[in-house]
Amino acid sequence: NAGVTQTPKFQVLKTGQSMTLQCAQDMNHEYMSWYRQDPGMGLRLIHYSVGAGITDQGEVPNGYNVSRSTTEDFPLRLLSAAPSQTSVYFCASALGTDYEQYFGPGTRLTVT
Amino acid sequence: AQKVTQAQTEISVVEKEDVTLDCVYETRDTTYYLFWYKQPPSGELVFLIRRNSFDEQNEISGRYSWNFQKSTSSFNFTITASQVVDSAVYFCALRSLYNQGGKLIFGQGTELSVKP
Repeated sequence: NAGVTQTPKFQVLKTGQSMTLQCAQDMNHEYMSWYRQDPGMGLRLIHYSVGAGITDQGEVPNGYNVSRSTTEDFPLRLLSAAPSQTSVYFCASALGTDYEQYFGPGTRLTVT
Repeated sequence: AQKVTQAQTEISVVEKEDVTLDCVYETRDTTYYLFWYKQPPSGELVFLIRRNSFDEQNEISGRYSWNFQKSTSSFNFTITASQVVDSAVYFCALRSLYNQGGKLIFGQGTELSVKP
């Protein structure tokens, strides 16, 4: 079991570029989510999904899109990168909304 | 509103000391879940424990123990005989039944430094 995997580990983007952060899990978890971690702001929920084909916004969704075409994958797309999106991004998965979430290793994104 | 407060920003101890990390939460819901996560210097978030609001039994796992008290809305974490490998940032988190989409509300974290 690889658990939750994220790629890339590090990424530098220029303002206005787009990219996709990949997230996959092999635990057959229905629930997946994306958080960003910023100094002084803690971890904040960006988007989440309670199953394949179902996604919804978290508390900081602007500038990000997600899709969930399979149970395993939950990519996060940055549409037009901005310096304010410089952060560490964590993907997580869980059996369901009330269960513990297992986090991936994170992606450190810098937007210049 | 839901909130998690970890008043201790940084704690420094010497190896083999016992240390308690405090967590106080606020929620109006009667059904909720509490969690502790560890974030070592390598950066990943490691799940430690999950406790639901109807189970006030204390939990012990090796050198780790957790004290859940609904009367004081606290869910404290104690490390007995601390080791250098315990050095990390520890987060307490709350998931209320009515929280949007399984959102975890995290405290600001307590950075624990264990010196040899």
